[in-house]
Amino acid sequence: AQKITQTQPGMFVQEKEAVTLDCTYDTSDQSYGLFWYKQPSSGEMIFLIYQGSYDEQNATEGRYSLNFQKARKSANLVISASQLGDSAMYFCAMRSANAGNMLTFGGGTRLMVKP
Amino acid sequence: ETGVTQTPRHLVMGMTNKKSLKCEQHLGHNAMYWYKQSAKKPLELMFVYSLEERVENNSVPSRFSPECPNSSHLFLHLHTLQPEDSALYLCASSQGIRGPYNEQFFGPGTRLTVL
Repeated sequence: AQKITQTQPGMFVQEKEAVTLDCTYDTSDQSYGLFWYKQPSSGEMIFLIYQGSYDEQNATEGRYSLNFQKARKSANLVISASQLGDSAMYFCAMRSANAGNMLTFGGGTRLMVKP
Repeated sequence: ETGVTQTPRHLVMGMTNKKSLKCEQHLGHNAMYWYKQSAKKPLELMFVYSLEERVENNSVPSRFSPECPNSSHLFLHLHTLQPEDSALYLCASSQGIRGPYNEQFFGPGTRLTVL
């Protein structure tokens, strides 16, 4: 079985500073994908970034980057230059053949950006 | 309309009512999903349809009944629900269900309250 753990239920960050949201995972699969989603108060889950288990480079998408440490089974999301609009729930998720290629989500981290 | 839409956005129902949630995707995808998001719990996958055939059913009570008449539409029929079924119900779609990378696009969700 695969499992995603997000140990930070809530975090504060000052506007314009960088923040790291933690995510660790557990799987016996060699091929898997890791995703980060943002969920604002409106409810919609917004895809942010993807990292494949065989990707040698850490994924980056604008202000988002994924700090992928395969040996430690961690896939932390780094948001640079935080903005007030970044305040939301953030979910880490994984997909692998072991789980029928279905997404398994972590419990989420609520990020609050202070002006 | 673009992306994934869900109606209604909010629903309040009694335990003896019958109602339906609707999801529509305008992305040309072949797979659609229902998730349940309860407070303080990770997202739970309920049902998966691929090419209009159900491929996953995670032990969901029979008071939830999905229907996928075509690849663009997904319904969740509700009857004799319990107060603990109150949650945000999210619909998602993806191009397919195979492979580690298959980004899921989510709708805004239906906030369901069972009285």
